[in-house]
Amino acid sequence: GENVEQHPSTLSVQEGDSAVIKCTYSDSASNYFPWYKQELGKGPQLIIDIRSNVGEKKDQRIAVTLNKTAKHFSLHITETQPEDSAVYFCAASIGHNNDMRFGAGTRLTVKP
Amino acid sequence: DAGVIQSPRHEVTEMGQEVTLRCKPISGHDYLFWYRQTMMRGLELLIYFNNNVPIDDSGMPEDRFSAKMPNASFSTLKIQPSEPRDSAVYFCASSFIQSGNEQFFGPGTRLTVL
Repeated sequence: GENVEQHPSTLSVQEGDSAVIKCTYSDSASNYFPWYKQELGKGPQLIIDIRSNVGEKKDQRIAVTLNKTAKHFSLHITETQPEDSAVYFCAASIGHNNDMRFGAGTRLTVKP
Repeated sequence: DAGVIQSPRHEVTEMGQEVTLRCKPISGHDYLFWYRQTMMRGLELLIYFNNNVPIDDSGMPEDRFSAKMPNASFSTLKIQPSEPRDSAVYFCASSFIQSGNEQFFGPGTRLTVL
């Protein structure tokens, strides 16, 4: 089955700096790669996703890149703000069966 | 829409007791997922349903766990008997296949088994 690895497990940045979180996946059939943000006491919430027919996607300060050959994808947050502090999860799935596998999570802390 | 609704939000029980967690998916969604989150194992998929039918329960840890979806607006996850190692946050999520794979998560149920 699919195995998703995520690094780093913790990340601390200064407000205004960029943050990068990286994930690798094992199943070359995976074609959907979402990123979720989980705030304390809440469920994960989708912030951006990318499909395997696209190499990069951007939404304001958030961008995701995908390298299908190397089977890795990354989340980039620019101009970080304290409210970006949360746990971020990457995931991978084969779209048609909805079986999604999550990475272990990255705890991002943005220091004011 | 109120989003995915889970109840109770917190549950404290003693070892050996039966625990039932409840989920109401977003109206119109045709997929429903149950996840367990722990520090040690992260976010694990336990089981998911499509149109009320269980599709994959390979993540259910053992026979003490069971899940049902009697109709499109309600699902339960039952643990009988509960054990301390079942302590975790249990999330329910739902999705609508025609809008892509985005899963909408509920707020979770924090279960503590003493």
